Amino acid sequence: DAGVTQSPTHLIKTRGQHVTLRCSPISGHKSVSWYQQVLGQGPQFIFQYYEKEERGRGNFPDRFSARQFPNYSSELNVNALLLGDSALYLCASSLAQRQQSYTFGSGTRLTVV
Amino acid sequence: KQEVTQIPAALSVPEGENLVLNCSFTDSAIYNLQWFRQDPGKGLTSLLLIQSSQREQTSGRLNASLDKSSGRSTLYIAASQPGDSATYLCAVIPQGGSEKLVFGKGTKLTVNP
Repeated sequence: DAGVTQSPTHLIKTRGQHVTLRCSPISGHKSVSWYQQVLGQGPQFIFQYYEKEERGRGNFPDRFSARQFPNYSSELNVNALLLGDSALYLCASSLAQRQQSYTFGSGTRLTVV
Repeated sequence: KQEVTQIPAALSVPEGENLVLNCSFTDSAIYNLQWFRQDPGKGLTSLLLIQSSQREQTSGRLNASLDKSSGRSTLYIAASQPGDSATYLCAVIPQGGSEKLVFGKGTKLTVNP
C-alpha cells in the first residue's frame, strides 16, 4: 500500500503569489491534517479535516485555507505568500478522527523568494 | 496551553552507547504521546505510540515510557548505531478541542562510528 503522498516535493514561489499543495492519504484513512515546519522547529498544526469537514484550525492567518475532497485527498492553499511562509509543509493521515496514530508524508518544501 | 519540551536539543554519542531522550509536557490531560524520527529535509516516521493508559511501548532497540502524572516521557535507544542519527520528535494529543499533535522542537542525535 502506498503511504501518504504529497506533491510537489519542492516549490519556489515569489512573494505575493498563491500556492496549492496536495496530499493523498493512505487508502481508507478519512482524516487529514496539515502542519508547517520551519527550520529548527517542531511542526505546527494548521488544519485538520475529517469526512470533508474542517475539525480544527491552528493559529494561522486567513491566507491559509484547505479543503478535503470526496476521495479524502486534500489541498492546502496559501495566498499572498510572504518570505516567512518558507517551510516544510507536512500532511498526516489517520483512520478516523479519534484514531490516535498519525502517518506523515515526506512533505513539500516551499521556498518564497 | 499545552507545551512540549525536549532535552537535550542535541546529543552526540559513540556507536554502541545506550542513550535516553527526554520529553516533558505541561498538561497531563492527553490522549496519547507519539515519538517520531525525522531525517534531514524529510517527513516524519512514527516510532512508538503510547496511549494515555499505558506506561511504555517497545519496538526493537527502542523503548518509550510515559508518566502522565508528572508530564514526562523518555525514549531509550539501546546499542546505538550510526543509522540512528536523526532528529527525534515527541508529540502529544491534548484532550479537548481538535485532535492536533503538539510537538517539541526535537533532539538532534548524532551517533559517531
